[in-house]
Amino acid sequence: KQEVTQIPAALSVPEGENLVLNCSFTDSAIYNLQWFRQDPGKGLTSLLLIQSSQREQTSGRLNASLDKSSGRSTLYIAASQPGDSATYLCAVRRRGQNFVFGPGTRLSVLP
Amino acid sequence: DTGVSQDPRHKITKRGQNVTFRCDPISEHNRLYWYRQTLGQGPEFLTYFQNEAQLEKSRLLSDRFSAERPKGSFSTLEIQRTEQGDSAMYLCASSLEGGQREQYFGPGTRLTVT
Repeated sequence: KQEVTQIPAALSVPEGENLVLNCSFTDSAIYNLQWFRQDPGKGLTSLLLIQSSQREQTSGRLNASLDKSSGRSTLYIAASQPGDSATYLCAVRRRGQNFVFGPGTRLSVLP
Repeated sequence: DTGVSQDPRHKITKRGQNVTFRCDPISEHNRLYWYRQTLGQGPEFLTYFQNEAQLEKSRLLSDRFSAERPKGSFSTLEIQRTEQGDSAMYLCASSLEGGQREQYFGPGTRLTVT
């Protein structure tokens, strides 16, 4: 059974810092991995999707990497802003199956 | 198209009542997913449709839960005889067919069972 964990559970940083969020999964036979952002009481916003054949994806200040063999993905956020404050979730998908989500990392960027 | 929409956004009901939620996916998406999310946890998969066919159901989906997508467009999720443990955010997502496709989520329906 695929299990997904995220470290840290919560993170508070001053504005302007670069930061890294971690996602680990137990079964490396994944199809793809997707990072989401969730604001309080709201739905999920897709940030980046990494296919199993890819090593990383970039979008603006965000960069996500994938190391299937070690069961890890990282989300790097450059020059953090207060508007980045949210919960960040990773989800992994095995072929023929649906997403398994981690519990999320709650990020606070202080002005 | 403005994305995935869900209705209602909030629902408060008394234990034992039936509730029904609606999801309208992005129009060209033939896959539709339902998830449940409790406070402080990531979403948990409930079921998904490809067009009008329900292809997979999680063990989380007890007999009190039923989902339909009659014409392959919008979907409904009904919970019968609600229990306090059903209180959660119910999220809908849609995607194009194919495992490589991104899932796009709606705003969710927050259910509170009193």
